[in-house]
Amino acid sequence: DAKTTQPNSMESNEEEPVHLPCNHSTISGTDYIHWYRQLPSQGPEYVIHGLTSNVNNRMASLAIAEDRKSSTLILHRATLRDAAVYYCILRGYSGGSNYKLTFGKGTLLTVNP
Amino acid sequence: DAGVTQSPTHLIKTRGQQVTLRCSPKSGHDTVSWYQQALGQGPQFIFQYYEEEERQRGNFPDRFSGHQFPNYSSELNVNALLLGDSALYLCASSWGQGLGNTGELFFGEGSRLTVL
Repeated sequence: DAKTTQPNSMESNEEEPVHLPCNHSTISGTDYIHWYRQLPSQGPEYVIHGLTSNVNNRMASLAIAEDRKSSTLILHRATLRDAAVYYCILRGYSGGSNYKLTFGKGTLLTVNP
Repeated sequence: DAGVTQSPTHLIKTRGQQVTLRCSPKSGHDTVSWYQQALGQGPQFIFQYYEEEERQRGNFPDRFSGHQFPNYSSELNVNALLLGDSALYLCASSWGQGLGNTGELFFGEGSRLTVL
């Protein structure tokens, strides 16, 4: 499985934007970039995913580098509820759905009031 | 609309015992996968079920087995429990096995297993 690299932890202030980086230099052409987050005492929660183009949804934006070797999850205005572990995951597809998500240790985001 | 539900939420077993964990997928979902999350680590994929068959498997021994029922719910069984099996066991559901589904997985809150 292609590997991702994320900082162990990051800190932000409430109501400020947060940029969470992820490196995936061995990404293949069929790998989608997925982001999940895990709040304390909960299961992971889907945030966003993309292939080549930047993506926006109600939770966040995903900026993907032109060579696809890195990406950045952007939370436009952090709230205390955004404090969580954020996982960047490559999800490969080869003729069918792939439910094997390979999680790393993720980035622990702390949001200060 | 209920999301993914798992039971029990917490349980304690002793080494050598067997355990069964249960999962009901989100309404409309037909595919269930199971993950193990040790303390301080990210979840690790155990296996995935679709149409009552195991379709993908991670790097887990045969002591870990599963089942999917016609109503799409699923069970995870672990035999001959070891201390190292203590973890949070997460169930995730989605739909569309084999259709190139690129969408999200919905996770339950997990079953916390402690092996003494």
